[in-house]
Amino acid sequence: GAGVSQSPSNKVTEKGKDVELRCDPISGHTALYWYRQRLGQGLEFLIYFQGNSAPDKSGLPSDRFSAERTGESVSTLTIQRTQQEDSAVYLCASSLESQNYGYTFGSGTRLTVV
Amino acid sequence: LAKTTQPISMDSYEGQEVNITCSHNNIATNDYITWYQQFPSQGPRFIIQGYKTKVTNEVASLFIPADRKSSTLSLPRVSLSDTAVYYCLVGDKNTNAGKSTFGDGTTLTVKP
Repeated sequence: GAGVSQSPSNKVTEKGKDVELRCDPISGHTALYWYRQRLGQGLEFLIYFQGNSAPDKSGLPSDRFSAERTGESVSTLTIQRTQQEDSAVYLCASSLESQNYGYTFGSGTRLTVV
Repeated sequence: LAKTTQPISMDSYEGQEVNITCSHNNIATNDYITWYQQFPSQGPRFIIQGYKTKVTNEVASLFIPADRKSSTLSLPRVSLSDTAVYYCLVGDKNTNAGKSTFGDGTTLTVKP
């Protein structure tokens, strides 16, 4: 596609439920990144994929968070047993391997845990 | 990763030139400097990237002194639509790919 697409754009869930967030990167972009942004704060790195491997998972805040990527395309970020502190905007970005931090971001998924 | 320090907020008026400085005292030899712009309810958007001296594109200029311990994003003749958060990012994709710390950014408010 023309840009990075994320779905859903908004998600309201009850505490304790599992949620799946989806990211469709730009076609041909081998690198894919997930970030979390709490209200009024900067971006917090979660995980990075090069292809479908995850070379850096160090940003995942707990074992309730996991992510997968199918080939060099779609990625899903799963949050199990959601907590209120998980409420945030989850942003996905992709880039060509040759681009040095030239990320293209999606518009994010706004997750609200009630 | 090199830690960056930016002013939390800046105000300007339409038509003025705005300069936002980012400090990165621990920048490494292989690190590049990249700036992003973020509007409310949107993901950040790439503005400009540089390694040293000056880089200019259709949107902005980036000034990097010889010691590379700081950089300045310059926005010429800002308009109301330039009101956004601006992030400075420093790192080398090869050694720290993806693990980028954006910090809290600089909130620029352009007034009429």
